[in-house]
Amino acid sequence: EVQLVESGGGLVQPGGSLRLSCAASGFTFSTSAMSWVRQAPGKGLEWVSGISSSGDYSYYADSVKGRFTISRDNSKDTLYLQMNSLRADDTAVYYCAKSTGWPYYFDYWGQGTLVTVSS
Amino acid sequence: QSVLTQPPSVSGAPGQRVTISCTGSSSNIGAGFDVHWYQQLPGTAPKLLIHGNSNRPSGVPDRFSGSKSGTSVSLAITGLQADDEADYYCQSFDSSLSYVFGTGTKVTVL
Repeated sequence: EVQLVESGGGLVQPGGSLRLSCAASGFTFSTSAMSWVRQAPGKGLEWVSGISSSGDYSYYADSVKGRFTISRDNSKDTLYLQMNSLRADDTAVYYCAKSTGWPYYFDYWGQGTLVTVSS
Repeated sequence: QSVLTQPPSVSGAPGQRVTISCTGSSSNIGAGFDVHWYQQLPGTAPKLLIHGNSNRPSGVPDRFSGSKSGTSVSLAITGLQADDEADYYCQSFDSSLSYVFGTGTKVTVL
């Protein structure tokens, strides 16, 4: 069974940093592309970032480019999202999603972790 | 930041058929990129419902169907059931090298 478990969310002040993790199991992580998708409270889904299976290629939404960095450790079956210079509009539930096909669609999702940016 | 437009809500009685449209532009759906659909039950993570315009993953009932014709895309739910009450999102790829989601549609079973 595919499982994606996010962690690392919490309350952070504007301008601060946070690192999210996503532990994967139940599939071959090292051959799967991965993405982060977020959902602000009461709002729709927004793709944030994606990374190739090897980690050689990464992609970002314009809204986070230059502030967020996606990475992965295939030896630990773990995906990361380093978030810097956080703003109030980054407040959202962040989902880790296994990405399939090209261009991607998202065939499995984690339960999400809440990031709140507030003073 | 959604660039795919969906109706905010649709409703139907149990057993009825409802459809949800998803409208994009020449840089995404109109450029020929596939459309995928997700179901988000209240308080839960999204779940893949349809991929590649019309393909159902294993375990998704055949009451759910997707179609794409030119730039016209839709999701149909037949034999509407109470546990179909959820938010539904379409998703595609944009030539700006970004993945885009629809604005979301809340389905209400009357």
